[in-house]
Amino acid sequence: AQSVTQPDIHITVSEGASLELRCNYSYGATPYLFWYVQSPGQGLQLLLKYFSGDTLVQGIKGFEAEFKRSQSSFNLRKPSVHWSDAAEYFCAVLGQGGSEKLVFGKGTKLTVNP
Amino acid sequence: DTGVSQNPRHKITKRGQNVTFRCDPISEHNRLYWYRQTLGQGPEFLTYFQNEAQLEKSRLLSDRFSAERPKGSFSTLEIQRTEQGDSAMYLCASSLDPGQGGEKLFFGSGTQLSVL
Repeated sequence: AQSVTQPDIHITVSEGASLELRCNYSYGATPYLFWYVQSPGQGLQLLLKYFSGDTLVQGIKGFEAEFKRSQSSFNLRKPSVHWSDAAEYFCAVLGQGGSEKLVFGKGTKLTVNP
Repeated sequence: DTGVSQNPRHKITKRGQNVTFRCDPISEHNRLYWYRQTLGQGPEFLTYFQNEAQLEKSRLLSDRFSAERPKGSFSTLEIQRTEQGDSAMYLCASSLDPGQGGEKLFFGSGTQLSVL
């Protein structure tokens, strides 16, 4: 069964600094990978997704993520963080064929200092 | 597109009571999912429907939990004899069929359940 590990529970960065959130997945085949963001009191919003092709994917709000099969990773990056990026970020993997459900990591909470 | 709607937004109940939540998916979406999220955790899969058929149930879904989607449109999630451990955010999501964009799930804002 697929699984996702987000090693960092909480990350604090200064506004304007770069950001990288780590995600490792476990899945037997080529995974469908996602990053979602959740602000307090809000639903989950899709930032970006990877299905196939170019391993560097661009998302909304200036985020990007790189799929590295050799490292089973799909890390999320942003060159310059804004205060409004403070939220919780979830990496997820979608199973295919059989169990077609989205499996989430435990999330990384991002705090942005002014 | 009005998005996925969940009601109520908040529910406070006493232990042992029954509660029911409703989810209205995006109208053209055939798939509907229920997830549960507790503090400090990612959403955990509970069950999903393809139209009115319930295709998979998690082992997290005990006998006290039941979900329905009678006409393939809205869905309800009922918890009987609630326990304090049921306190969580219950999230609903919908999507198109796989291969038709169904890989992207659209989430509602959730129903926050507090069991006293």
